[in-house]
Amino acid sequence: SYVLTQPPSVSVAPGKTARITCGGNNIGSKSVHWYQQKPGQAPVLVIYYDSDRPSGIPERFSGSNSGNTATLTISRVEAGDEADYYCQVWDSSSDHRGVFGGGTKLTVL
Amino acid sequence: EVQLVESGGGLVQPGGSLRLSCSASGFTFSSYAMHWVRQAPGKGLEYVSAISSNGGSTYYADSVKGRFTISRDNSKNTLYLQMSSLRAEDTAVYYCVKGEYSSSSGAFDIWGQGTMVTVSS
Repeated sequence: SYVLTQPPSVSVAPGKTARITCGGNNIGSKSVHWYQQKPGQAPVLVIYYDSDRPSGIPERFSGSNSGNTATLTISRVEAGDEADYYCQVWDSSSDHRGVFGGGTKLTVL
Repeated sequence: EVQLVESGGGLVQPGGSLRLSCSASGFTFSSYAMHWVRQAPGKGLEYVSAISSNGGSTYYADSVKGRFTISRDNSKNTLYLQMSSLRAEDTAVYYCVKGEYSSSSGAFDIWGQGTMVTVSS
């Protein structure tokens, strides 16, 4: 089965840039979606198809995907960006099941 | 407003059964695949089950296969998850999730608020 690997935590100072990675075998050949989950809330889609932003998501959120790593980038980080972030793909080799990364806790210092 | 509202969670003993429901509004329910995703306390997201827009295709994670049954009633805009032979490791918040397309692909663009299932004696 397909495995997605995320760092458990990332810390960044306000106003700086945060980069959260999502590793997987040849992930560049898949479409990667990213979700933000704040404490006590349901996840929210923040990036889809590697780099597209749903309406209402700030331009500070961007994404890229190549080779074995997809990256969610948050520019000019704000305190309100502190949350857990999950990457997700579809595993076409396993009944086309959804696969989530383990999640990354973003801490704003 | 596009909305998903789960219900049916609660406390159940090991080996017991529970049926979750998810009421959808604000979009054409019958046009989209629907999914269940769960999150154990303090843990990450786990993909559980999916059903295509017309109900003709379903998927189950290995961890729930043979114990859970997903279904939908497009006339009632409602998604269900029948859970049986419940185990302690099924304890989690269960999210009802709208898919982007009629089959299992694309992003999960709308999430419900979740319903808590606790399996304990």
